[in-house]
Amino acid sequence: DAKTTQPNSMESNEEEPVHLPCNHSTISGTDYIHWYRQLPSQGPEYVIHGLTSNVNNRMASLAIAEDRKSSTLILHRATLRDAAVYYCILTNFGNEKLTFGTGTRLTIIP
Amino acid sequence: DSGVTQTPKHLITATGQRVTLRCSPRSGDLSVYWYQQSLDQGLQFLIQYYNGEERAKGNILERFSAQQFPDLHSELNLSSLELGDSALYFCASSERQGGPLGYTFGSGTRLTVV
Repeated sequence: DAKTTQPNSMESNEEEPVHLPCNHSTISGTDYIHWYRQLPSQGPEYVIHGLTSNVNNRMASLAIAEDRKSSTLILHRATLRDAAVYYCILTNFGNEKLTFGTGTRLTIIP
Repeated sequence: DSGVTQTPKHLITATGQRVTLRCSPRSGDLSVYWYQQSLDQGLQFLIQYYNGEERAKGNILERFSAQQFPDLHSELNLSSLELGDSALYFCASSERQGGPLGYTFGSGTRLTVV
């Protein structure tokens, strides 16, 4: 599985946008970029995924670099409920399991 | 409610014992995945089943086994339990093999071995 690199931790103020970076320089052409988050004492939760184009959903936006070697998860207006560990994961078509790294622990400051 | 049901939520048992964890996938999902999360190791993939057949194996100990039944629910069997097996065990399901579809996780079973 191609590897991803994320900062161990980030802090953000409540009600401000948050940009969570992820580097994946060895991404292959068929790798999809997934983001999951895990709130305390809960199972991981799907946030968003994409292949080449930027993606938006009700939870977040995913901005993918033109060369696909990095991506950014954007939370447009952070709330206290967004405090979680965020995982950036690559999966290849036909290789379905999610391989979790250490993720980024996001702290929201009231 | 994510649609993936795991039972029991909590389990306390003694070393050397055997336990069974159960997972019911989201309706229509054919793949089931098991993960172990301990404090010092993060989320570790154990095993995947697709429509009743084992599809991928990760860092699963020989003392652990799993199966997926015709109704698609899955069970993870842990035997000869050791203190180090204490962890959260998560089950996830996805719709079909292949393709970047979302994975839905259950709320986990917290296993404590004493």
